Amino acid sequence: GDKVKQSPSALSLQEGTNSALRCNFSIAATTVQWFLQNPRGSLMNLFYLVPGTKENGRLKSAFDSKESYSTLHIRDAQLEDSGTYFCAARPGGNYKPTFGKGTSLVVHP
Amino acid sequence: NSKVIQTPRYLVKGQGQKAKMRCIPEKGHPVVFWYQQNKNNEFKFLINFQNQEVLQQIDMTEKRFSAECPSNSPCSLEIQSSEAGDSALYLCASRGDRDTQYFGPGTRLLVL
Repeated sequence: GDKVKQSPSALSLQEGTNSALRCNFSIAATTVQWFLQNPRGSLMNLFYLVPGTKENGRLKSAFDSKESYSTLHIRDAQLEDSGTYFCAARPGGNYKPTFGKGTSLVVHP
Repeated sequence: NSKVIQTPRYLVKGQGQKAKMRCIPEKGHPVVFWYQQNKNNEFKFLINFQNQEVLQQIDMTEKRFSAECPSNSPCSLEIQSSEAGDSALYLCASRGDRDTQYFGPGTRLLVL
């Protein structure tokens, strides 16, 4: 099965609303990164997390290593938030990160 | 957000041809990763380097790809004999001391 499961796989939001994306891990993740990929393929860093929470503007992310999940909350969604959101979990050291399959988000007016 | 440079942005090759792509990591980042992202958005780790040394690579990379990260030159990833199934977005990422990966814009390869 997938070592990093993202949900939902697709999401449609009206501008101005809030939502949450989630990653569940079946690996012992020590760090998590969240990225936003635009339609051209460029990946933008959103968050790098050790267990705990971080906030940046309208985005807030949490990582609970004991319960093996991470969340990304989007507040007051804007059109430019559209794209595919990926989480990547890493066990630590020089081990490669494992990516989820992404959540495709469309924000409409 | 990221200063990783990848060239070319697009690459079209025929089956059996070599396909080479390059990556310049962010300055001061000693670790470089290559990933293949398929049309289903799935990421496949290919290889990573610390400075000029290979840290990890998958079997496919060892058999069919040639990759290097020479000092003072771009890193490169080359498919020795392209197959239709190699059509994908190839992403390079670099990582510094802070453990965060920064991705380049990718090279989109189409094998006809």
